Amino acid sequence: NAGVTQTPKFQVLKTGQSMTLQCAQDMNHNSMYWYRQDPGMGLRLIYYSASEGTTDKGEVPNGYNVSRLNKREFSLRLESAAPSQTSVYFCASSELGAGANVLTFGAGSRLTVL
Amino acid sequence: EDQVTQSPEALRLQEGESSSLNCSYTVSGLRGLFWYRQDPGKGPEFLFTLYSAGEEKEKERLKATLTKKESFLHITAPKPEDSATYLCAVPANQAGTALIFGKGTTLSVSS
Repeated sequence: NAGVTQTPKFQVLKTGQSMTLQCAQDMNHNSMYWYRQDPGMGLRLIYYSASEGTTDKGEVPNGYNVSRLNKREFSLRLESAAPSQTSVYFCASSELGAGANVLTFGAGSRLTVL
Repeated sequence: EDQVTQSPEALRLQEGESSSLNCSYTVSGLRGLFWYRQDPGKGPEFLFTLYSAGEEKEKERLKATLTKKESFLHITAPKPEDSATYLCAVPANQAGTALIFGKGTTLSVSS
């Protein structure tokens, strides 16, 4: 059971380039999330998808777009990368019901924008 | 605005030296407080959920407690393998089932 899988693990971009971070979960969870983690700032929510077909902004959505491709996959796109988007990005998922807030995280994708 | 504050930012202990980490929160209508452990280079891993004041949960050398305004993670006789960053979080009222995280406490246990 892989849990939450993120690709790529590492990426270096130049300012202005675009890229998509991929996330897939195999736990049949309904909700999925994208966080970024920066030193001294903690984990901050970028976007989330409560269920297939829905997406909503979190605390820091500017400069990002998301797609909930199906129940398993939730991608994060940077259309024009900026150095301020250098960070470690984490995807997470959770089920509905009593365990709705217990998030399972992927291993992270480390992005550097030069 | 919902907020989660953790202290201290960093804590160094000798093996066997017990201590506590603090998480204070300001939310309207708490729907649970969550503790996670994060090892370097990895994603956070779920430890505990606490729902009401007075509740306690234990796992090996860790015990989490909850009051109306804060939670404590007590570490009894820690070992070097307990070294990690410990994060607490509360549900974000404005973002469905998402969590708002504190900045974490980085624990280092030396032998």
